[in-house]
Amino acid sequence: AQSVSQHNHHVILSEAASLELGCNYSYGGTVNLFWYVQYPGQHLQLLLKYFSGDPLVKGIKGFEAEFIKSKFSFNLRKPSVQWSDTAEYFCAVNAERLTGGGNKLTFGTGTQLKVEL
Amino acid sequence: NAGVTQTPKFRILKIGQSMTLQCTQDMNHNYMYWYRQDPGMGLKLIYYSVGAGITDKGEVPNGYNVSRSTTEDFPLRLELAAPSQTSVYFCASRTSGRKNEQYFGPGTRLTVT
Repeated sequence: AQSVSQHNHHVILSEAASLELGCNYSYGGTVNLFWYVQYPGQHLQLLLKYFSGDPLVKGIKGFEAEFIKSKFSFNLRKPSVQWSDTAEYFCAVNAERLTGGGNKLTFGTGTQLKVEL
Repeated sequence: NAGVTQTPKFRILKIGQSMTLQCTQDMNHNYMYWYRQDPGMGLKLIYYSVGAGITDKGEVPNGYNVSRSTTEDFPLRLELAAPSQTSVYFCASRTSGRKNEQYFGPGTRLTVT
């Protein structure tokens, strides 16, 4: 079974600081990778995704993530955070080899980011 | 497109009561999902459906039931509410295919007392 680990549960940064949130997964085959963001009181929104090709993917609001297959990682980065980035961030992994009923999205436990002015 | 919509947004239930959480999507997606979100636990899959008339259990199905009579609707039923079911419930949908990019509804915050 696939699993997803987000090691940083709570992160506090000042505005303009750089951000890197870790995400590691356990599945060894072809994967699709996602970062979702949940702003306070809102639903999950897709931040960025990786299916194939360039391992450095860019998403909305200046976020990017790098897929490193050898490390089973898909870390999220942003060079300079803003107060409005305060939210919870979820990494999710889909094991593409599993189809139909087995094709489930596995979520990490989330990282709560607080950006202080 | 409205996307994925859920009703109600908030609900307080007494132990033993029942209720149905509604979920509707207008994107003609075959796959639909119900998750619950608890603090520090991420999202756990309750039930999912791969098309009208087909449903299956996820990780945490106990205490819940679902049905899928149409492509658009995927209601989640709580028969005998328990405090352990206090959570935020999200519905999601996606198209067929292996990439599994899911679109989420706004959620229902349920409290059972």
